[in-house]
Amino acid sequence: GIQVEQSPPDLILQEGANSTLRCNFSDSVNNLQWFHQNPWGQLINLFYIPSGTKQNGRLSATTVATERYSLLYISSSQTTDSGVYFCAVGLYGGSQGNLIFGKGTKLSVKP
Amino acid sequence: DAMVIQNPRYQVTQFGKPVTLSCSQTLNHNVMYWYQQKSSQAPKLLFHYYDKDFNNEADTPDNFQSRRPNTSFCFLDIRSPGLGDAAMYLCATSAHPFTDTQYFGPGTRLTVL
Repeated sequence: GIQVEQSPPDLILQEGANSTLRCNFSDSVNNLQWFHQNPWGQLINLFYIPSGTKQNGRLSATTVATERYSLLYISSSQTTDSGVYFCAVGLYGGSQGNLIFGKGTKLSVKP
Repeated sequence: DAMVIQNPRYQVTQFGKPVTLSCSQTLNHNVMYWYQQKSSQAPKLLFHYYDKDFNNEADTPDNFQSRRPNTSFCFLDIRSPGLGDAAMYLCATSAHPFTDTQYFGPGTRLTVL
């Protein structure tokens, strides 16, 4: 099956710093999403980005499907950005499919 | 606001006592998913419904069942919970299966005593 690797596994930032999170995947996919899981367990969709670049406020993401990686950029980090960031990739064909999650990057933003 | 709602948010059950978790959505999405997330792990898909078609993951234990009586509601039944079933259970929806944005509910945290 598809393998999803995220790096780094843990990241500690000072408030205001910038960061880049990486997601590598082992096969062609037709879905890639970035999620933020807050300390209460809620998974918030950040980007649906199987290819290309998107921006939403201080966050942006780029997926290079041909090279099988995606990057999530966080600029001017805030303490509310803390939590776990998951990359998930999906493959669907016929009636079968799955969304495979990486192990996540745990981000701690210190005031 | 359109949303995915899960009830209850916290559920405590006894070893072997059947439990049902509920998910409802106001997004009118065709697909509903159930994921299991154990502590410090990534969510893992248990099964999904595409309209009325049920799709079970190969490694989902028989102890886990699901029902979708209509477009808006989906239930997760755990017939005989074991200690290893303690986890966060997440419901998600999407308009199309696996090639579309998935929207997650807040989850139900299950404790098995």
